[in-house]
Amino acid sequence: SAVISQKPSRDICQRGTSLTIQCQVDSQVTMMFWYRQQPGQSLTLIATANQGSEATYESGFVIDKFPISRPNLTFSTLTVSNMSPEDSSIYLCSVAGLAGTDTQYFGPGTRLTVL
Amino acid sequence: AQKITQTQPGMFVQEKEAVTLDCTYDTSDPSYGLFWYKQPSSGEMIFLIYQGSYDQQNATEGRYSLNFQKARKSANLVISASQLGDSAMYFCAMTKAPSGGYNKLIFGAGTRLAVHP
Repeated sequence: SAVISQKPSRDICQRGTSLTIQCQVDSQVTMMFWYRQQPGQSLTLIATANQGSEATYESGFVIDKFPISRPNLTFSTLTVSNMSPEDSSIYLCSVAGLAGTDTQYFGPGTRLTVL
Repeated sequence: AQKITQTQPGMFVQEKEAVTLDCTYDTSDPSYGLFWYKQPSSGEMIFLIYQGSYDQQNATEGRYSLNFQKARKSANLVISASQLGDSAMYFCAMTKAPSGGYNKLIFGAGTRLAVHP
């Protein structure tokens, strides 16, 4: 089965700084998504990463805060900008269209702590 | 708007017994898909099982089965022969279309399952 990796797996950052999270899939996929899971909470979609065009953001999430890139069918990045402690969360990428399946699979997640 | 409700914040079960995790949903879309994911303490989300709204039979994957009752808008997960490694958070989720995960997932609040020896 395909492998989805995320870098970094965890990080501790200072407020006001930015962190870029990478999501790499070892085969081409149709869709890539970015979710946030705040402590003790469920998952919420941040945006759909569109290949070669601007991401589609959900209500409450903006491009200036969470810029996303997807240069090809196997890679995407999410940047968390000007971080505050409220951004401390697990950030997960997910993909759909792996090997012809229509299941949405998740990467291992990036655990971010902002001090 | 779509909504998923998981009313059991926590459940426990004895090893080797079966357990049912409840999930009800609300949607006005005629076509939708329902997922269950497992999240161990490591944080990864592990896909367990999927049910499309037009599927005639309940989905099964090994020890996991989905008790889909469309009229009651429920999609309960049944885990048979529980194992200690089943201890985790379990999330029910849905999408708009019946074609699986090509659309965004709406998640429930989750149920924490503890398996006791």
